[in-house]
Amino acid sequence: DVKVTQSSRYLVKRTGEKVFLECVQDMDHENMFWYRQDPGLGLRLIYFSYDVKMKEKGDIPEGYSVSREKKERFSLILESASTNQTSMYLCASSPQAGVGYNEQFFGPGTRLTVL
Amino acid sequence: AQSVTQPDIHITVSEGASLELRCNYSYGATPYLFWYVQSPGQGLQLLLKYFSGDTLVQGIKGFEAEFKRSQSSFNLRKPSVHWSDAAEYFCASLMDSSYKLIFGSGTRLLVRP
Repeated sequence: DVKVTQSSRYLVKRTGEKVFLECVQDMDHENMFWYRQDPGLGLRLIYFSYDVKMKEKGDIPEGYSVSREKKERFSLILESASTNQTSMYLCASSPQAGVGYNEQFFGPGTRLTVL
Repeated sequence: AQSVTQPDIHITVSEGASLELRCNYSYGATPYLFWYVQSPGQGLQLLLKYFSGDTLVQGIKGFEAEFKRSQSSFNLRKPSVHWSDAAEYFCASLMDSSYKLIFGSGTRLLVRP
């Protein structure tokens, strides 16, 4: 069974803290994604990575950075957390474009609250 | 720019009634189309997908969707809703050779006993 795991289900941080959200997939997928989900806005893409050490900005990258040192792991970093980054964060992975179907497999999400 | 529209923010149906959730996409060519479901507190689970071929697609949990090119639509249906279907449903599209899924804003389904 395919699996995407996220390091925390719930996280509470203070304004200005550095926050790391970790995501691991066991499907040997090339692509990995970070989304944030807010009511009425659906899912918005923050960053994605199509290979180790490669990354591209999504639609809302401001205030975030990412790291992909190993194929199976993709980290989202909030350098200095702010209250407007309180949200649900979803990680996903998919196989390489053009190779089979490109459906994305999602982790359970991390609900981050910034106080 | 490619976009996906789910015109209904909330839908309430009675248990046992039929369901149709609407989805429209904007893209010149036929995109890859998906329906995902998110139960409360959970991540997204794929219900079904359409890439080509038969325009009526069967998915898990008794759901189906029909691709209509003339209407740029990919509506999700279920003939008889169960209380456990209460969740949020997302339609999404993917352009050929693209990595990026474009999501609609979601439709929250409430099921009356």
